Amino acid sequence: GEDVEQSLFLSVREGDSSVINCTYTDSSSTYLYWYKQEPGAGLQLLTYIFSNMDMKQDQRLTVLLNKKDKHLSLRIADTQTGDSAIYFCAEKRAGGYNKLIFGAGTRLAVHP
Amino acid sequence: DSGVTQTPKHLITATGQRVTLRCSPRSGDLSVYWYQQSLDQGLQFLIQYYNGEERAKGNILERFSAQQFPDLHSELNLSSLELGDSALYFCASSDREGNYEQYFGPGTRLTVT
Repeated sequence: GEDVEQSLFLSVREGDSSVINCTYTDSSSTYLYWYKQEPGAGLQLLTYIFSNMDMKQDQRLTVLLNKKDKHLSLRIADTQTGDSAIYFCAEKRAGGYNKLIFGAGTRLAVHP
Repeated sequence: DSGVTQTPKHLITATGQRVTLRCSPRSGDLSVYWYQQSLDQGLQFLIQYYNGEERAKGNILERFSAQQFPDLHSELNLSSLELGDSALYFCASSDREGNYEQYFGPGTRLTVT
């Protein structure tokens, strides 16, 4: 199985909050990331969290990290149609140089 | 715009051929990473270079090779192409080896027919 797992699809109503979840397996992960990929585009770094943090907030984005359960989530407040994209969770492990290990991505669909 | 550029944007070629993908990192970034995004394998790390030297290898096939030049741009060479090599190839850069922020280019879409 994959080392980083995400649900594949999430549908929300415009204005609601979206919560995208991710689980990882390696407790040595040092940084955890959220990237956004819009259709036909590259990967945009949204935010990241260091493994000794529980939470990070950046405008409409809130990242929660439960290190005990190896669970990461991304909450998008007041979701807009422009937030429709694929969201990738990724981890960087200690001793793994700097390569990122990505989940399969969660497709977020925002409807009126 | 991340500041990482990749050329070409699209590439269509036949099986058995060889292609070269080019990446220019963000100004000042010394580290370059290559990733492959395919439908069946997802996003996978291929290789990393730091200031001209290979630093880490991932799931890179022997038919593939890369290098980073003195001006810090990087090229990914794919040879003896197979249909399964069709994918999006991304380059990312960071400003030093241990930096935790990797910025991705727009990618090169390779189609092998």
